[in-house]
Amino acid sequence: GQNIDQPTEMTATEGAIVQINCTYQTSGFNGLFWYQQHAGEAPTFLSYNVLDGLEEKGRFSSFLSRSKGYSYLLLKELQMKDSASYLCAVMDSNYQLIWGAGTKLIIKP
Amino acid sequence: GAVVSQHPSWVICKSGTSVKIECRSLDFQATTMFWYRQFPKQSLMLMATSNEGSKATYEQGVEKDKFLINHASLTLSTLTVTSAHPEDSSFYICSARDPGQGVSEGYTFGSGTRLTVV
Repeated sequence: GQNIDQPTEMTATEGAIVQINCTYQTSGFNGLFWYQQHAGEAPTFLSYNVLDGLEEKGRFSSFLSRSKGYSYLLLKELQMKDSASYLCAVMDSNYQLIWGAGTKLIIKP
Repeated sequence: GAVVSQHPSWVICKSGTSVKIECRSLDFQATTMFWYRQFPKQSLMLMATSNEGSKATYEQGVEKDKFLINHASLTLSTLTVTSAHPEDSSFYICSARDPGQGVSEGYTFGSGTRLTVV
């Protein structure tokens, strides 16, 4: 079956760095997405990785290792507004998105 | 960037009534739209894939006669929750991808509809 695992909840301090991991097992791979979702709102697109390596976008970076079925989202210089759920999703061979359960990130002052 | 508009944002209805949710792609044509449901503190669950001009494809366990999907044009898909019951109370979100943009641009989501059935 298809499976995506990510931690349920993480806590970090304002100004610090946090890494949210995601491991996956899917039938085929056409890329991995990270989305941010604030409570009661729709998800917003953060990043897309299809090749191995690190993609950097400002304070956010995303890493992919296809051989390991592993990705992480790195958030630097954390701000209180970064408190949200972070969803990992993999596009399978049918171009369907398979979603992880999301990681709730709590930022403390 | 691609914009998807979803209405209404929230709705309260009586048990047994039907509710229609609209999802529009504002600046692109979407041959395919996706409907998700999200219960509190849970992730997105794909309900169905809406295909313009043809029948929707429903995920296993989703009742097609209860969740009616119509995708009559390239910019509009509707989800109707028929004979709603309290257990149907959830956050419903639609999503689409602008075919004119690369996969790397991701999927755009509507703002979601909070349905409460009383």
